[in-house]
Amino acid sequence: NAGVTQTPKFRILKIGQSMTLQCTQDMNHNYMYWYRQDPGMGLKLIYYSVGAGITDKGEVPNGYNVSRSTTEDFPLRLELAAPSQTSVYFCASRPTGGGSYNEQFFGPGTRLTVL
Amino acid sequence: AQKVTQAQTEISVVEKEDVTLDCVYETRDTTYYLFWYKQPPSGELVFLIRRNSFDEQNEISGRYSWNFQKSTSSFNFTITASQVVDSAVYFCALSVNPVGQNRDDKIIFGKGTRLHILP
Repeated sequence: NAGVTQTPKFRILKIGQSMTLQCTQDMNHNYMYWYRQDPGMGLKLIYYSVGAGITDKGEVPNGYNVSRSTTEDFPLRLELAAPSQTSVYFCASRPTGGGSYNEQFFGPGTRLTVL
Repeated sequence: AQKVTQAQTEISVVEKEDVTLDCVYETRDTTYYLFWYKQPPSGELVFLIRRNSFDEQNEISGRYSWNFQKSTSSFNFTITASQVVDSAVYFCALSVNPVGQNRDDKIIFGKGTRLHILP
């Protein structure tokens, strides 16, 4: 299993540009999450999904959109990039069976800079 | 509401010293799980341990040990004989299982403790 993969690894955007951060997992996990981690800070939940077709807002959803058309993919969309969105973005997935027992599996992260 | 507090923002110790990272949590749920994750300088997040709310046994794994105390709502992490490779940010996390509320099944992270092990 490749686990959770994220692309790209690094990206520099200009203010106002848009982009999609890709996240794919091959473990057949129903739960998937997007976090951002600002320099020297903890993780903040942006959006999460409990299955294909179902998404919910997390702590900091403004400026982002997600979709979940398949179990494997959970892309994060930035429509109008702003400097405040400079951060490292982590995607994670989690098995459903066992409920909150299960740990999350994290991708390697995407480092995004908005100039 | 659930909350995880890691009051120690940053800790520095000299190699071979023991160090304890504190984690205090808040939840009204009777069934919950606690986790520790490690984020080394390379940036990835690595799962270390899970503990459920019904199991207060301490756990030891090599130089790592965890002390779970429901009476104080704490789940502390101790590294014995620390090594430079232990330098990382460590996150404590809480997961609850509200009955019939699958849409709320998510993990709450603390803000992390940055640990520096000095040679």
